[in-house]
Amino acid sequence: AQSVTQLDSHVSVSEGTPVLLRCNYSSSYSPSLFWYVQHPNKGLQLLLKYTSAATLVKGINGFEAEFKKSETSFHLTKPSAHMSDAAEYFCVVSDHTGFQKLVFGTGTRLLVSP
Amino acid sequence: NAGVTQTPKFRVLKTGQSMTLLCAQDMNHEYMYWYRQDPGMGLRLIHYSVGEGTTAKGEVPDGYNVSRLKKQNFLLGLESAAPSQTSVYFCASSYSLLQGETQYFGPGTRLLVL
Repeated sequence: AQSVTQLDSHVSVSEGTPVLLRCNYSSSYSPSLFWYVQHPNKGLQLLLKYTSAATLVKGINGFEAEFKKSETSFHLTKPSAHMSDAAEYFCVVSDHTGFQKLVFGTGTRLLVSP
Repeated sequence: NAGVTQTPKFRVLKTGQSMTLLCAQDMNHEYMYWYRQDPGMGLRLIHYSVGEGTTAKGEVPDGYNVSRLKKQNFLLGLESAAPSQTSVYFCASSYSLLQGETQYFGPGTRLLVL
């Protein structure tokens, strides 16, 4: 069975400093991995996804994530945080066992201070 | 192009009342999904549809029914609401079930059951 663990429920950074949101996954098959962002009272927006191509994936708004099979990790990073990055971030895993079921992590709330 | 829209945005129900949540998408997607989001948990799949007239149970289907009479619409019904159904409900759609396919989410419906 597939699962996702987001290692931090909250991450606080200062504007202009790097962001690291950690995600570990478990999957019996070659997974696809996603990061979604949810701004307050908004729906989920796709940031980036990994689908077995390049292991370093670039997304929108300067975010990127690296798929590390040996560590079963898919951490999300950004070199310099912006106030507008404050939101909830979800790591999601999918494997293809007849139906592409998405399994969501519990989320990491990113707080950005001036 | 509105993407995925949900109606209503917010609703308060009394225990035992019924209601229907409407999801509409204008992307001509075949596949549609209903999720619920609860504090401290990731999104969980309630029901999904693989095409007009076809629905299937997800992870947490009890207490809900769905219908997909038109390709662009996916309805979620609560026949007799319970406080445990207080949640934020998200609809999503996708073009295919291929691994790595992106699901597009609506803005959500906040439901409070008293």
